[in-house]
Amino acid sequence: GESVGLHLPTLSVQEGDNSIINCAYSNSASDYFIWYKQESGKGPQFIIDIRSNMDKRQGQRVTVLLNKTVKHLSLQIAATQPGDSAVYFCAEKRSSRNQFYFGTGTSLTVIP
Amino acid sequence: NAGVTQTPKFQVLKTGQSMTLQCAQDMNHEYMSWYRQDPGMGLRLIHYSVGAGITDQGEVPNGYNVSRSTTEDFPLRLLSAAPSQTSVYFCASSLSGGLDTQYFGPGTRLTVL
Repeated sequence: GESVGLHLPTLSVQEGDNSIINCAYSNSASDYFIWYKQESGKGPQFIIDIRSNMDKRQGQRVTVLLNKTVKHLSLQIAATQPGDSAVYFCAEKRSSRNQFYFGTGTSLTVIP
Repeated sequence: NAGVTQTPKFQVLKTGQSMTLQCAQDMNHEYMSWYRQDPGMGLRLIHYSVGAGITDQGEVPNGYNVSRSTTEDFPLRLLSAAPSQTSVYFCASSLSGGLDTQYFGPGTRLTVL
């Protein structure tokens, strides 16, 4: 079966520091990846995505890095703010399948 | 654009009761899907649809039915609710189901007693 996992279930960072959230995936055929943010009581919110033909993609205060050699994905959040406190999921997909596979999530807590 | 909407937000059922969770999107997306989210587990796919009139099973389809009569709506039916179906249910949609972004609704929290 598919496996998308996260290295750490919880992460605490000081406000203003950078955060790094990691994700491992098991299927080398995966070619599309998304990071989602989920606040308590809400649905997952799209943050950033990356396709397998890229190694890095940047958004506003967020960067996603993809290492296909070791099947590893990371989300970097610059200057972390209290509003960044949430659970972060990675999801992966193959173009040949009509299904995303999700990790269990990392809970990020920002300490003021 | 309302995006993906779900009703109700909360629901309590007794074992054996049936109900329908509603999902609608106004983005003209072809692909729609239903997930359940349980503590300590990632989102798991229940059913999905790649277009009106087409549905298929996901990872955990047992006990659920779906239909897709229009592009906008994708209801999820619980035929005979069981306590194991206590969960938070999310509907999602994407443009085509290919390598494009999937957008989620706010969720329905269901408790089966």
